[in-house]
Amino acid sequence: DAKTTQPTSMDCAEGRAANLPCNHSTISGNEYVYWYRQIHSQGPQYIIHGLKNNETNEMASLIITEDRKSSTLILPHATLRDTAVYYCIALEYGNKLVFGAGTILRVKS
Amino acid sequence: DVKVTQSSRYLVKRTGEKVFLECVQDMDHENMFWYRQDPGLGLRLIYFSYDVKMKEKGDIPEGYSVSREKKERFSLILESASTNQTSMYLCASSLAGGQSYEQYFGPGTRLTVT
Repeated sequence: DAKTTQPTSMDCAEGRAANLPCNHSTISGNEYVYWYRQIHSQGPQYIIHGLKNNETNEMASLIITEDRKSSTLILPHATLRDTAVYYCIALEYGNKLVFGAGTILRVKS
Repeated sequence: DVKVTQSSRYLVKRTGEKVFLECVQDMDHENMFWYRQDPGLGLRLIYFSYDVKMKEKGDIPEGYSVSREKKERFSLILESASTNQTSMYLCASSLAGGQSYEQYFGPGTRLTVT
């Protein structure tokens, strides 16, 4: 699976959009981009995934660049409860889910 | 909402004890997983199961076994607990096939072996 690179940490003001970038420049055509998050002392939580097209669900939006070398997870109105570690994973079906270091998002009031 | 529950949030056991960690999911998911999470090492897959009575080894199965007698329940067994098995243990479940990567995790069990 392609290696992903994320910033170590980010801050966001409460109520503002949180934009979390992920670089996956070596991604192959069969690899999906998955996002999970882990709030302190809880298990990871699936957020969203996509292949080529942008995706939106009740939690977030996923914007994938046309060349698929990077993507951005958008939390449209961040709240304090969105403070967590966010993991971007490039994954080909048939392989295991592997979590890297992720981005620590701190939402501040 | 998918609910994955684990039998204990915190557990303290002695070296050499046999330890059972239980996981139950209520969404009729085919797949179930056991991971451990350690600082600096991320999440590591211990075992997974894609059907009742079926199991597959993950990356670090040594010292562990599993049991899946019913679809909703997946148990992790530490045959003889050791201090290097002190960790956060996370159970997850998912549907089969392409949705297998939308995994729903339980709250975790923090196990300390003394």
